[in-house]
Amino acid sequence: KAGVTQTPRYLIKTRGQQVTLSCSPISGHRSVSWYQQTPGQGLQFLFEYFSETQRNKGNFPGRFSGRQFSNSRSEMNVSTLELGDSALYLCASSPGQGAYNEQFFGPGTRLTVL
Amino acid sequence: GESVGLHLPTLSVQEGDNSIINCAYSNSASDYFIWYKQESGKGPQFIIDIRSNMDKRQGQRVTVLLNKTVKHLSLQIAATQPGDSAVYFCAENIYGNKLVFGAGTILRVKS
Repeated sequence: KAGVTQTPRYLIKTRGQQVTLSCSPISGHRSVSWYQQTPGQGLQFLFEYFSETQRNKGNFPGRFSGRQFSNSRSEMNVSTLELGDSALYLCASSPGQGAYNEQFFGPGTRLTVL
Repeated sequence: GESVGLHLPTLSVQEGDNSIINCAYSNSASDYFIWYKQESGKGPQFIIDIRSNMDKRQGQRVTVLLNKTVKHLSLQIAATQPGDSAVYFCAENIYGNKLVFGAGTILRVKS
């Protein structure tokens, strides 16, 4: 079974721009969660989508948004980029909703904001 | 943010020795804990989990110990191998809704 895939793997943007990251979950998985990983703050939960609905949200500003499609693929959008948004963005899929389900992580998208 | 960690602690062990990685968690209401391993250039990989109604769980070469009294979690790796070199994270499940990750520990295995 193919693992979680994320595209693109690397991205360079400038302040003020917006960016969209994509995640394809493992086949059959209906939940997709997004995380931000930085050296200063570590791994932080952004949000979780299940059946095309956002189920849980972390403590991030409204510039961070996402959506999930009927095939469970998910996109994450960051608007008005700031330097501090430079991070590794990780997507994780799981069969069911909630953190009790084992999450399978993708390799991440490395975003650099200049 | 809910997870901090500017300078990760490092544990250096000799190949073949046992490793013990420690983690202090924050929320006494957390009822599910997971250890992840992250190798360079990859996303975190599940190692082992434990629910709060247990104090010990064993996997292949790994054991997780949970001490709820002091809110402490540890991961023991037996006969550590070079392939075990990675960053290890503990994560706690907050009210079943989301995972909060610890800062991480770098494990370096010397051959």
